[in-house]
Amino acid sequence: DIVMTQSPDSLTVSLGERATINCKSSQSVFYSPTNRNHLAWYQQKPGQPPKLIIYWASTREFGVPDRFSGSGSGTDFTLTISSLQAEDVAVYFCQQYYSAPQTFGQGTRVEIK
Amino acid sequence: QVQLQESGPGLVKPSETLSLTCVVAGYSISSGYYWGWIRQPPGKGLEWIGSIYHSGSTYYSPSLKSRVTISVDTSKNQFSLRLSSVTAADTAVYYCARDPSYAVTYYFDSWGQGTLVTVSS
Repeated sequence: DIVMTQSPDSLTVSLGERATINCKSSQSVFYSPTNRNHLAWYQQKPGQPPKLIIYWASTREFGVPDRFSGSGSGTDFTLTISSLQAEDVAVYFCQQYYSAPQTFGQGTRVEIK
Repeated sequence: QVQLQESGPGLVKPSETLSLTCVVAGYSISSGYYWGWIRQPPGKGLEWIGSIYHSGSTYYSPSLKSRVTISVDTSKNQFSLRLSSVTAADTAVYYCARDPSYAVTYYFDSWGQGTLVTVSS
């Protein structure tokens, strides 16, 4: 199984400041024939299901604010919230779908300072 | 807009079988895509259980494969999960979700609200 490791486990950021979450996979999730990284990001607010925010490592899901961006390739990926808003308080998970079983990172909790 | 809703018993006794159903609205399962089950123990991370295509083809997590069965009923536009020989370690919120792929498993773009299943005598 591909192991996904996120850092940090928790993050406290002031309103309007940048939040950066890292995700590292134990093997590359880049698929050469399609030139795509099989990596997604989810946002989970308390008492709610996860919500897809980024797929193919950098494609924003429809309706997701453009302050959310994904970057990286191969084994190292980053989710950036450019200007943290109160509604962004949540736990964020990365997921690889390069190979079964799909696996998730342990999650990063983002809070307001 | 697709909507998914899980249903089933909230309490299951150890060694018994957990059974859940996910009803899909706003999208016909027969049209395609994979449909998956994911669980989340209280306060913990996400674990993929398995996925099924509308044709009935399934992929299961190797760690659960011996105990898991996922089936689909296109006439009712729903799919189901059965997990046998449960223990306290199977206590979790169980989610059903849509995986918008036709050939291989991808990400999950729509999720049910989740249902908490507790394993206890």
